[in-house]
Amino acid sequence: DSGVTQTPKHLITATGQRVTLRCSPRSGDLSVYWYQQSLDQGLQFLIQYYNGEERAKGNILERFSAQQFPDLHSELNLSSLELGDSALYFCASSVEAGVTGELFFGEGSRLTVL
Amino acid sequence: AQSVTQPDIHITVSEGASLELRCNYSYGATPYLFWYVQSPGQGLQLLLKYFSGDTLVQGIKGFEAEFKRSQSSFNLRKPSVHWSDAAEYFCAANSGGGADGLTFGKGTHLIIQP
Repeated sequence: DSGVTQTPKHLITATGQRVTLRCSPRSGDLSVYWYQQSLDQGLQFLIQYYNGEERAKGNILERFSAQQFPDLHSELNLSSLELGDSALYFCASSVEAGVTGELFFGEGSRLTVL
Repeated sequence: AQSVTQPDIHITVSEGASLELRCNYSYGATPYLFWYVQSPGQGLQLLLKYFSGDTLVQGIKGFEAEFKRSQSSFNLRKPSVHWSDAAEYFCAANSGGGADGLTFGKGTHLIIQP
């Protein structure tokens, strides 16, 4: 158990819909990262938050957005969903702002868009 | 562009045999390097990391990796594999701890034969 909690574990929805994925980081961790894992693209870095502020942006689509709340949990919002958004979405957390230490990954949220 | 390449999509090894998983990186300067393991239905777990210094690094579960600057490689090794090592292995890199997340390779699926 990494200490990172992601909900929901599985989600099935239709094209055009909007979903929210939630992540609770390990106790004491200030950084939250979001990754997308798909068969064709592999693991892609989406976005990072540190102590409530956006710190780094990767390959995140404009239809996607995220935020980190004062209690440090984070939400990833996916809108106008397309079939190609079907993937496993991972949240990871770390103590530091930079990626020098260990990232602790949650078990992921599997999104299926029909 | 910065990239991490894992040339082998699948590797099959007999239980008790030695293992080497290959990883090559393409970065302007030596990046921070990591190996993660993902068991079925689980998140990723850090095996080991290299920032600088001794080019042979020891990790958890009996794994080690050797950094070779001349070959831009960071291969993962284990002298004797166990059936429980069957998993997906990811090499990852980050440009010196900067705020750009981790760039992952596509992964190597390790199959252990009895």
